[in-house]
Amino acid sequence: AQKVTQAQTEISVVEKEDVTLDCVYETRDTTYYLFWYKQPPSGELVFLIRRNSFDEQNEISGRYSWNFQKSTSSFNFTITASQVVDSAVYFCALSYSGNTPLVFGKGTRLSVIA
Amino acid sequence: EAQVTQNPRYLITVTGKKLTVTCSQNMNHEYMSWYRQDPGLGLRQIYYSMNVEVTDKGDVPEGYKVSRKEKRNFPLILESPSPNQTSLYFCASKWGSSYNEQFFGPGTRLTVL
Repeated sequence: AQKVTQAQTEISVVEKEDVTLDCVYETRDTTYYLFWYKQPPSGELVFLIRRNSFDEQNEISGRYSWNFQKSTSSFNFTITASQVVDSAVYFCALSYSGNTPLVFGKGTRLSVIA
Repeated sequence: EAQVTQNPRYLITVTGKKLTVTCSQNMNHEYMSWYRQDPGLGLRQIYYSMNVEVTDKGDVPEGYKVSRKEKRNFPLILESPSPNQTSLYFCASKWGSSYNEQFFGPGTRLTVL
């Protein structure tokens, strides 16, 4: 079965703190793709990053970084020096080979307090 | 501008009154899908379409219908809405490969009384 678990339902941090959002996935496929989406208070879903199962390189984009570890089936997302604008619900998602649906975790609500 | 549009954005209706939520994309994407988002449950797929005239059920298809007569449009039909279909609905599209990210519409908040 394909499954994505985001164990942290809600996280609250003070501005400028670093925060890591956890994502653990389950799949029997050897080829799969992992995604992170952001849903700000306005409600839209914004694509942040994609990773394929053959690429375990970590990714950094400004204050955002992603740590993909196949050994622990995790694809964690870290925000460095968080800002109020980072307040949102963040979803991790899994897609596997073929025209298969995107499987979402239940999301982590991040609140960054000024 | 590349986008996925949905209409209406907000809808309040009553049990049993048929409704259609439209979805249109201008990116020539083969793949389109509908999701519903509920508190504590995340996003769950309702239906998806890999191309014109090809549709398939997602995880929660009961009570919904879809059609894909044109590549750009993928309407969601609720023939007889019930209160448990009160939710936030998202339409999405992407290029066909699983590698590609989905582009989401702005969402439709539906309330069924």
